[in-house]
Amino acid sequence: EVQLVETGGGLIQPGGSVRLSCEVSGFTVSDNYMSWVRQAPGKGLEWISVILRGDTYYGDSVKGRFTISRDNSKNTVYLQMNSLRVADTAVYYCASHYCTAGSCYIDYWGRGTLVTVSS
Amino acid sequence: SYVLTQPPSVSVAPGKTATISCGGNNIGSKRVHWYQQKPGQAPVLVIYSDSDRPSGIPARLSGSNSGNTATLTISRVEAGDEADYYCQVWEVWESGSDVIFGGGTKLTVL
Repeated sequence: EVQLVETGGGLIQPGGSVRLSCEVSGFTVSDNYMSWVRQAPGKGLEWISVILRGDTYYGDSVKGRFTISRDNSKNTVYLQMNSLRVADTAVYYCASHYCTAGSCYIDYWGRGTLVTVSS
Repeated sequence: SYVLTQPPSVSVAPGKTATISCGGNNIGSKRVHWYQQKPGQAPVLVIYSDSDRPSGIPARLSGSNSGNTATLTISRVEAGDEADYYCQVWEVWESGSDVIFGGGTKLTVL
């Protein structure tokens, strides 16, 4: 059974940092494209970052502040979040992609972890 | 960057047909994926590659894509279909790859 379990959320002060983890079971993270997607309270889905075979890409709102990485030995994906802003408050979902015919969709989602940025 | 436009809300009576649009420049040339999200839950894939259904998704849900509009159609709407629906495409640029989501549509079953 495939499971993605996010941890690391909580209350963070503006300007602070936090690292989210996504522990995966049921498949190997190094074989899949993995993304982080967030959802601010009452808002829609916002893609944050993706890690491909070796490349990483970011949405404009987090570029230069967030870093996605992967530890294959732990089958875990991370999101390092620095210089946090109140606007970063959201539920953060870890997600895996299935790619076919040049397009990728999300086939598995975690349950999400809430990050609240507030003083 | 590429933009996907969805109506904020759609309302439909039980048993009727709901259509949710997803507009984008020449979106018909891309593969569109759809997700359903109920309150307090993670999204669930309901349509991939314009019109394919994952296992477990009822045939009442269907998708199409042509020109500048992709459409999710839900036939014989049930109370359990009430949710937010998001379209998504995968964009590949010279500088990388992006996941693009539409703004979401809240489906209300009257």
